[in-house]
Amino acid sequence: SAELTQDPAVSVALGQTVRITCQGDSLPIYFASWYQQRPGQAPKLVIYAKDIRPSGIPDRFSGSGSGNTASLTITGAQAEDEADYYCNSRDSTGKLYVFGTGTKVTVL
Amino acid sequence: EVQLVESGGGLIQPGGSLRLSCVVSGFSVISNYMTWVRQAPGKGLEWVSVIYSDGSTFYADSVKGRFTISRDISKTTLYLQMNSLRAEDTAVYYCARDPGGALNGFFDFWGQGTLVTVSS
Repeated sequence: SAELTQDPAVSVALGQTVRITCQGDSLPIYFASWYQQRPGQAPKLVIYAKDIRPSGIPDRFSGSGSGNTASLTITGAQAEDEADYYCNSRDSTGKLYVFGTGTKVTVL
Repeated sequence: EVQLVESGGGLIQPGGSLRLSCVVSGFSVISNYMTWVRQAPGKGLEWVSVIYSDGSTFYADSVKGRFTISRDISKTTLYLQMNSLRAEDTAVYYCARDPGGALNGFFDFWGQGTLVTVSS
């Protein structure tokens, strides 16, 4: 089955920049999206279709991608950005969905 | 306002069955791609199943043949019938909406989740 691989954990100093990556064989074909999940809460969409920010998401969140790698960048990380982040996309058939393994972001 | 509210979770013995419901408001389950996503305790997100606007259904290998996704003709409720439940099905189950269209493949609205615990 398709897989999307993320680094398990990253840390960033308050106000600094952090990039989270997501690697997978389907990413050259299908867009990646990104979700923020705080403890005890449902996931929240922060980026879709590689680099589009939904209404209400701060502009410090940005998405990019090339080849088999998608990235989420938080520029000027805030304390409230501390959370788990997941990427998602389609599998190679385009009919199923797949999530990344998740990255825990700690803001120091 | 778009809302999704799951219900039906609980404690069930291995081998048992459970039906989850997801009542939506602010949109139709018929004209969107509706999915179930689960999260085992302390683990990551796992996509479970989708029903497309044309009624076609697809499942993750881990639940194929045991789970059935459906929707009702009132256009407001999504279901997940779960049979032959196993301990590894223990998770919070979320329903989520993929709005479809040219940029489909993402989930813009989620429910709050319902916990399913499979244990004797």
